[in-house]
Amino acid sequence: DTEVTQTPKHLVMGMTNKKSLKCEQHMGHRAMYWYKQKAKKPPELMFVYSYEKLSINESVPSRFSPECPNSSLLNLHLHALQPEDSALYLCASSQNQRQVISYNEQFFGPGTRLTVL
Amino acid sequence: SQQGEEDPQALSIQEGENATMNCSYKTSINNLQWYRQNSGRGLVHLILIRSNEREKHSGRLRVTLDTSKKSSSLLITASRAADTASYFCATDDARYYGNNRLAFGKGNQVVVIP
Repeated sequence: DTEVTQTPKHLVMGMTNKKSLKCEQHMGHRAMYWYKQKAKKPPELMFVYSYEKLSINESVPSRFSPECPNSSLLNLHLHALQPEDSALYLCASSQNQRQVISYNEQFFGPGTRLTVL
Repeated sequence: SQQGEEDPQALSIQEGENATMNCSYKTSINNLQWYRQNSGRGLVHLILIRSNEREKHSGRLRVTLDTSKKSSSLLITASRAADTASYFCATDDARYYGNNRLAFGKGNQVVVIP
């Protein structure tokens, strides 16, 4: 299974709502990522989990809260978002670079299209 | 911050023609990767070239890497309508061991006209 799944595919939420994005992989990867992507722009790294521990937080506002319950799952909890947070949110996974430093191909999910009203 | 930066070109070519796009980066790297993204979808890994390699082929793809110029090119030969997509290069940073971070370039939009 070389697939990364993300749910939901689309999400519309108000600025006072609380919602969660989910990501799952069964490739045995021990690094998982959240990216934010605006239209016609490259993905921007938000968070990296390595062996289920948060290893990188790219100064993301606290209204985004990541969680890695186990090695296969990654969540992104959303609360009090702003309209400018509307974007495509991508999850990815890879072998951990500490194990295979020269080979860190990332496998991406299809993304969640988030609209904040 | 992004260290991979392509020339911000939008390419429009006829089916059967070749498409070439470039990428430049700023720091020393372990490897450079190219990804494709169809409209509004996730990214798909195309090819990885290690810092000690100069050229690599995969099917209709040819990637070159010039570490002295900190640049790479991706050539797609005999393009097809299905190659219409955005193409991103991505680099790691050899200064930071094992931090799993990739920096994506700005991307090239390629349109292949049937």
